[in-house]
Amino acid sequence: AQSVTQLGSHVSVSEGALVLLRCNYSSSVPPYLFWYVQYPNQGLQLLLKYTTGATLVKGINGFEAEFKKSETSFHLTKPSAHMSDAAEYFCAVMADSSYKLIFGSGTRLLVRP
Amino acid sequence: DTAVSQTPKYLVTQMGNDKSIKCEQNLGHDTMYWYKQDSKKFLKIMFSYNNKELIINETVPNRFSPKSPDKAHLNLHINSLELGDSAVYFCASSQGGSYYEKLFFGSGTQLSVL
Repeated sequence: AQSVTQLGSHVSVSEGALVLLRCNYSSSVPPYLFWYVQYPNQGLQLLLKYTTGATLVKGINGFEAEFKKSETSFHLTKPSAHMSDAAEYFCAVMADSSYKLIFGSGTRLLVRP
Repeated sequence: DTAVSQTPKYLVTQMGNDKSIKCEQNLGHDTMYWYKQDSKKFLKIMFSYNNKELIINETVPNRFSPKSPDKAHLNLHINSLELGDSAVYFCASSQGGSYYEKLFFGSGTQLSVL
């Protein structure tokens, strides 16, 4: 069965610093991986997704993630944090062919001035 | 224009009551979903409908009954509400039933059962 583990329920960075949000997955088949962002009192929005092809995926708002099969990871990064990046970030994996998206427990990103 | 809208935004009710949450999408998508987000922010799928047909039905109590009158609407009716039903419920939609497709989420309905 597929699963997702997000290390760190809270991550705090200074404005302008590197953002690194960790995600590890478990999947018996080639995974499809996603990052979603949830701003306060809003629904989730897709940041980026990996299906096939290039392992470095670029998303919106300057975020990117790299699929590393050997490490079963899909960490999310951004070179320079902005105050507006403060939100909850969810990693997700597609569960085989059942159309189920399995979400991680989320990481809250705090950006300090 | 709101792509996926759900009402009400907040719902406070007593145990044992029956309540409904409505969801509408104006994106022309043919697949809609209900997700439950608990107090620890853990998000889990409950149901999915494709062209008004149920395609995903997770282990959810029978007290929860989704209804899709047409492919633009997916309502969630909950009978005999319990304390453990308190959560934020998100409606979502996508074009097609594959998770290759981007999910569009509503802004959530915060349900508080007292």
